[in-house]
Amino acid sequence: DAMVIQNPRYQVTQFGKPVTLSCSQTLNHNVMYWYQQKSSQAPKLLFHYYDKDFNNEADTPDNFQSRRPNTSFCFLDIRSPGLGDAAMYLCATSSPDSRVHEQYFGPGTRLTVT
Amino acid sequence: ELKVEQNPLFLSMQEGKNYTIYCNYSTTSDRLYWYRQDPGKSLESLFVLLSNGAVKQEGRLMASLDTKARLSTLHITAAVHDLSATYFCAVDRDRSNYQLIWGAGTKLIIKP
Repeated sequence: DAMVIQNPRYQVTQFGKPVTLSCSQTLNHNVMYWYQQKSSQAPKLLFHYYDKDFNNEADTPDNFQSRRPNTSFCFLDIRSPGLGDAAMYLCATSSPDSRVHEQYFGPGTRLTVT
Repeated sequence: ELKVEQNPLFLSMQEGKNYTIYCNYSTTSDRLYWYRQDPGKSLESLFVLLSNGAVKQEGRLMASLDTKARLSTLHITAAVHDLSATYFCAVDRDRSNYQLIWGAGTKLIIKP
């Protein structure tokens, strides 16, 4: 089945220790998104890629970086995690070829910062 | 400011009852999306509404869209415990942009 996969599902890191979250997709979608979601809140868009074109949200901290080496993979790097970065990180994809911008989500990575 | 407002934000109801969640938005989008999220899980697409007057139904859930009023509703009929979740609505930021603007979510608890 075509899907969006995130690894790891749970990640524990220490304060200030860099961490990388990964996302892969078999949907062959051009657009990939990274969201941060804290408890009981709506998902907050950090950035998205249209193919290799990177689009950063204005309020995304510099501490968050992303890489998309090819269509299938996208990475979220948190350079120096703080306690406030503990959250669920969701990867999603969509296809601009369709009339709709429905987004397909991966299972998420739950990040804990100690 | 582009906004999507859901109400209520929290709803506790008994099994067997009917209720409606409302989603108002300020963009000119004619496409609206409903997602479901179970506790600790990711988001699952429920409905995609593509035009004014669109209505979609899946089981006990029915969603509709009125683009003139910039309003979508998610109606729950004869609620069952399994429908307990947080429901989000979202709209396109604009036609040429691949971003969604999200509502705050409605946390629905259905008591047996």
